[in-house]
Amino acid sequence: DARVTQTPRHKVTEMGQEVTMRCQPILGHNTVFWYRQTMMQGLELLAYFRNRAPLDDSGMPKDRFSAEMPDATLATLKIQPSEPRDSAVYFCASGLATGLNTEAFFGQGTRLTVV
Amino acid sequence: AQSVTQLDSQVPVFEEAPVELRCNYSSSVSVYLFWYVQYPNQGLQLLLKYLSGSTLVKGINGFEAEFNKSQTSFHLRKPSVHISDTAEYFCAVSDYQAGTALIFGKGTTLSVSS
Repeated sequence: DARVTQTPRHKVTEMGQEVTMRCQPILGHNTVFWYRQTMMQGLELLAYFRNRAPLDDSGMPKDRFSAEMPDATLATLKIQPSEPRDSAVYFCASGLATGLNTEAFFGQGTRLTVV
Repeated sequence: AQSVTQLDSQVPVFEEAPVELRCNYSSSVSVYLFWYVQYPNQGLQLLLKYLSGSTLVKGINGFEAEFNKSQTSFHLRKPSVHISDTAEYFCAVSDYQAGTALIFGKGTTLSVSS
């Protein structure tokens, strides 16, 4: 059963600490997306990668957020230093960009609470 | 740039009643359109998508949506809802090419009661 796996599912951290969220995309998918979900803003696109290269990270606060794909099976989103306003659910999604194939498959999300 | 407006933030309905969740989009290029559903504490699951062809699209769980280019709308409908349809529903748009990022609306909470 192919699925996107995100770890951890929940994270509580103190303000100023570094947070790393991990995502394992579906095997064979070449596109990875990071979204942030809050009550106020809904689902916001933070960044996305194609074949491990960043295509668009304009939605990401550059001073504290960074996203990488060390290899095809792992995507990471880091926040350093974290702030209370970063509290949200962070979703990773993956897809295969070929032809009319446009579906993005979502992970279960990481619920981040910064206190 | 694309944008999506979901006109209703909350839609309460009774079980077995019909429902329509409204979605309008804005784009200067051709688009693909999607509806996703999110159950509590879960990720998003694709309900249906419009890529091309027939403007009436059928999805899972008895949902369907109609693409109306002149009105830039993609409303979601179900003729008879169940308690289990209670969830948050998101309309999304992407550029007319494979693998571009989805831009989501703010979501509509569908609450079905008996």
